[in-house]
Amino acid sequence: EVQLLESGGGLVQPGGSLKLSCAASGFSFSSYGVNWVRQAPGKGPEWVSSISGSGGNPKYVDSVKGRFIISRDNSRKTLYLQMNSLRVEDTAVYFCHVGVVPVAADVLDIWGQGTRVTVSS
Amino acid sequence: DIQMTQSPSSLSASVGDRVTITCRASQNINNFLNWYQQSPGQAPKLLIYGASSLKRGVPSRFSGSRSGTDFTLTITSLQPEDFATYFCQQTYSTPPAFGQGTKLEIE
Repeated sequence: EVQLLESGGGLVQPGGSLKLSCAASGFSFSSYGVNWVRQAPGKGPEWVSSISGSGGNPKYVDSVKGRFIISRDNSRKTLYLQMNSLRVEDTAVYFCHVGVVPVAADVLDIWGQGTRVTVSS
Repeated sequence: DIQMTQSPSSLSASVGDRVTITCRASQNINNFLNWYQQSPGQAPKLLIYGASSLKRGVPSRFSGSRSGTDFTLTITSLQPEDFATYFCQQTYSTPPAFGQGTKLEIE
């Protein structure tokens, strides 16, 4: 089964750190770029960061540049997001996402179930 | 950065109705526009990619179209499972922005 499974969320104080993980299964993980997308309560999704299949070309939304680091370990089929200097406004459900990638006569678009990050004192 | 303006923010309709949701891009994005459906507590689900291509397995009552920088999602003959929130997303350039969402509610 094609699957992404996030972990590592939780409650952290402002200024603290968390490291999110996203474990992939059922597809050729190293072949695809992967995104982190977050969704604050009652809001639309927001793209946070992306990384290529080889682990290069990391990109970030301006609000997290210098604070978040995306990385991947293709041998472990796992994506990471190191989040430092966390702010209240980083509170959200964080999803890992592969998509939209052509596959045969269709496309691949895979989302994890999300992991909740709450930044609060 | 490209901005996506989605309207309406909410919409009330009945089973069997036809509804349209619109996204306007702040600049040309060609056909790099996806539509997602999201139910509470779930991840978004891809419905339409490339502005008008239906994801395999998605019912044919969903369709997408483009006119310049305006994109439309149309749902014909609404079914009970269609009452959810819908988002557009441009993937023409980074950051790949989402629209603000349209909550489709039962009238």
